[in-house]
Amino acid sequence: GAVVSQHPSRVICKSGTSVKIECRSLDFQATTMFWYRQFPKQSLMLMATSNEGSKATYEQGVEKDKFLINHASLTLSTLTVTSAHPEDSSFYICSAGRDSMYFGPGTRLTVT
Amino acid sequence: GENVEQHPSTLSVQEGDSAVIKCTYSDSASNYFPWYKQELGKRPQLIIDIRSNVGEKKDQRIAVTLNKTAKHFSLHITETQPEDSAVYFCAASMGAGGTSYGKLTFGQGTILTVHP
Repeated sequence: GAVVSQHPSRVICKSGTSVKIECRSLDFQATTMFWYRQFPKQSLMLMATSNEGSKATYEQGVEKDKFLINHASLTLSTLTVTSAHPEDSSFYICSAGRDSMYFGPGTRLTVT
Repeated sequence: GENVEQHPSTLSVQEGDSAVIKCTYSDSASNYFPWYKQELGKRPQLIIDIRSNVGEKKDQRIAVTLNKTAKHFSLHITETQPEDSAVYFCAASMGAGGTSYGKLTFGQGTILTVHP
């Protein structure tokens, strides 16, 4: 299957700072990538669809100004959590694929 | 939008038994149904997926069945092993092809425990 990587795997930041998470497709080109968030013991919730060369599409209830998405190349999408607060602490996972969808290893964000 | 319901929330079986997890979806336009296995702190791993033009798909000990009329699909694991213990998620999307399959709506998850 397709290989998707994510960096960093864990990050701790202070409230009010911004954090950037990278998602890469390693063995294929991805014009579209997807960002999900997963709180402890809960399911995955789609946050946004990242489109190469155009604006991301956000799900209802997700603040586009807080979660900035950039998809500057066919293998890289970035999610920046701006002005992070403790309630943004979560597991952020990206996905990509062709006929099937594969997830990156996830980024555990802790905001103190 | 799409809504996916998954049952049961927890499932406990003895090693060697079969396990069945069921999901229902609301939007008849959904046409892609993957199943993921997630171990604690790890990424969801795709274990099997099915498209609406297929009624059943099997891969070794894992099978998925799809009933489009009833809008439900099920995961079947035979000869369960302790290493099958994990959280299993079903999902659905209404992709038109290519990467549009990726906009997934997930079920609530099933914690499967296989006792040796």
